Amino acid sequence: EVQLVESGGVLVQPGGSLRLSCAASGFTFSDHYIDWVRQAPGKGLEWVGRSRNKANSYTTEYAASVKGRFTISRDDSKNSVYLQMDSLKTEDTAVYFCARNYYDRGVYFSDYWGQGTLVTVSS
Amino acid sequence: DIQLTQSPSFLSASVGDRVTITCRASQGISSHLAWYQQKPGKAPKLLIYAASTLQTGVPSRFSGSGSGTEFTLTISSLQPEDFAIYYCQQLNSYPLTFGGGTRVEI
Repeated sequence: EVQLVESGGVLVQPGGSLRLSCAASGFTFSDHYIDWVRQAPGKGLEWVGRSRNKANSYTTEYAASVKGRFTISRDDSKNSVYLQMDSLKTEDTAVYFCARNYYDRGVYFSDYWGQGTLVTVSS
Repeated sequence: DIQLTQSPSFLSASVGDRVTITCRASQGISSHLAWYQQKPGKAPKLLIYAASTLQTGVPSRFSGSGSGTEFTLTISSLQPEDFAIYYCQQLNSYPLTFGGGTRVEI
């Protein structure tokens, strides 16, 4: 059974840092891209970034709103992906989801999602 | 960035109704679109990918169509468990983007 479990969400002050973790199981983690998606309270979904797999040199992509502040990394030996969040702003307050990506018919899409972890940025 | 505009943003329907949600892209994205369903307090669930391919395990009352800039998600006969918010996502180019969502109220 495919599972993704996020952790690390807490209350943090503006300007602070936080690292979220996403632990995966039930599939060959190293084969897959992983996305981070967030959802501010009462709002819609916002794509945060992507970690490609080893075959694609672990390269990453980011949304403009987080580029230069957030860094995605992964450790295939631990079946985990991480979201390092620096220079946090109040507008980063959201539930953060990690999602496995699958490739079919010419697209990568998020087929399995974690339950999310809440990050609150407030003084 | 590619903007996705969903319409309507809210709809009220009855059990058994046929429901159609539209997602328009600000530029062509071929068939690189997915649809998700999200219920309160839960993670999104993949329904459709590549614009029209039904994800395994999703009921056949859900279907998707379109290419280029206009896409639709159709629920052929609405069920009580379909109360949710539906999002489209373009997978064509970075940054990936979501539509604003359509809340379906039974």
